[in-house]
Amino acid sequence: DVVLTQTPVSLLISLGGQASISCRSSQSLVHSNGNTYLHWYLQKPGQSPQLLIYQVSNRFSGIPDRFSGSGSGTDFTLKISRVEPEDLGVYYCLQRTHNRTFGGGTKLELK
Amino acid sequence: EVKLVESGGGLLKPGGSLKLSCVASGFTFSNYWMHWVRQAPGKGLEWIGEIEYDGTETNYAPSIKDRFTISRDNAKNTLYLQMSSVRSEDTATYFCTEGFFAYWGQGTLVTVSS
Repeated sequence: DVVLTQTPVSLLISLGGQASISCRSSQSLVHSNGNTYLHWYLQKPGQSPQLLIYQVSNRFSGIPDRFSGSGSGTDFTLKISRVEPEDLGVYYCLQRTHNRTFGGGTKLELK
Repeated sequence: EVKLVESGGGLLKPGGSLKLSCVASGFTFSNYWMHWVRQAPGKGLEWIGEIEYDGTETNYAPSIKDRFTISRDNAKNTLYLQMSSVRSEDTATYFCTEGFFAYWGQGTLVTVSS
């Protein structure tokens, strides 16, 4: 089974700062059709997860360009620039190339 | 507007059974695979299973295989999760989500306790 390892587990960021979250897979997430099904979510306290980035680097509808995704193969990164209060919560990566697996989560908090 | 509304959660004893529902609207339900994802209190997200468009194929995570069954009624735009032989570790909020994991319901809480 694919294991997704997210680092760091928690992140203290100042408002207006930049955050970077890593998601590493135990095997390549390139599907046989050439696509890479690695997505990023934010779960705010008491809410359902919301999709931020799909297929590595595509922002979902309504997501500001402060959020960007990159990576390939087994290593992926989510960057959040100019952090705002509404960005706080737990970030998860999800792969749906080989079955479906979530990363363990990264909690973004204010410094 | 896409909407997913889960219901059916509650308190049950170990070994008991419960059926969760998820009513979908705002999209053509029968054209999408559907998934169940759960989250234990204070923990991360766990994918537990999926069902194909017409219900002919299902896949499950090892943690719930042979205990939980996913089904759907496309005429009612409804997804189901039949839970049986529940254990304390099944205590979680259960979310339904559509095939691309873009839209999620608000979740329904299931608590397993004696």
